[in-house]
Amino acid sequence: SAVISQKPSRDICQRGTSLTIQCQVDSQVTMMFWYRQQPGQSLTLIATANQGSEATYESGFVIDKFPISRPNLTFSTLTVSNMSPEDSSIYLCSVVGAGGFTDTQYFGPGTRLTVL
Amino acid sequence: LAKTTQPISMDSYEGQEVNITCSHNNIATNDYITWYQQFPSQGPRFIIQGYKTKVTNEVASLFIPADRKSSTLSLPRVSLSDTAVYYCLFNQGGKLIFGQGTELSVKP
Repeated sequence: SAVISQKPSRDICQRGTSLTIQCQVDSQVTMMFWYRQQPGQSLTLIATANQGSEATYESGFVIDKFPISRPNLTFSTLTVSNMSPEDSSIYLCSVVGAGGFTDTQYFGPGTRLTVL
Repeated sequence: LAKTTQPISMDSYEGQEVNITCSHNNIATNDYITWYQQFPSQGPRFIIQGYKTKVTNEVASLFIPADRKSSTLSLPRVSLSDTAVYYCLFNQGGKLIFGQGTELSVKP
């Protein structure tokens, strides 16, 4: 199984600032994703992080607000830009193992973001 | 876009078998059915995945009828530590699309 770490685990930020969240995997993976989970809600897929190219965003999410990088097969970052209180959520990184898209998908512990 | 429907909440007692059924009437031919468990303040944890018929592992069983329009997660002899939210979802080419989930509460 893949072991995923996220930094920071939590943060409190001021409105209008930006926060970059890091996701590190202990092995090379084929696919990496970023999700958001608002308080008391289910998970919503933000985007697929593509290695060496621009991320693929889901409806309702844009690159200017959530820029994503994936420089290699084990690391990705998600930036939450120009934050507002509505961005207060848990942000989760997820990866698919080396076996391809039918392989098990693992989730990181999440980053709890509070925007004041 | 394929969508899942499952009960919002369920109650059970320790030692009982719990069955959570999920409806997915418009599942696509290539979609796999996957179940995850989530505890508060943690990321979801994979439980089981299947395409059709029955799949069993050390944690649970997954029953999928021939028409694949529904699936049932079976948890044998639940304990208090099984209290969590359980999600039924599709693996759509690697992307997992989450529904609302079922909040299972196990009582002593």
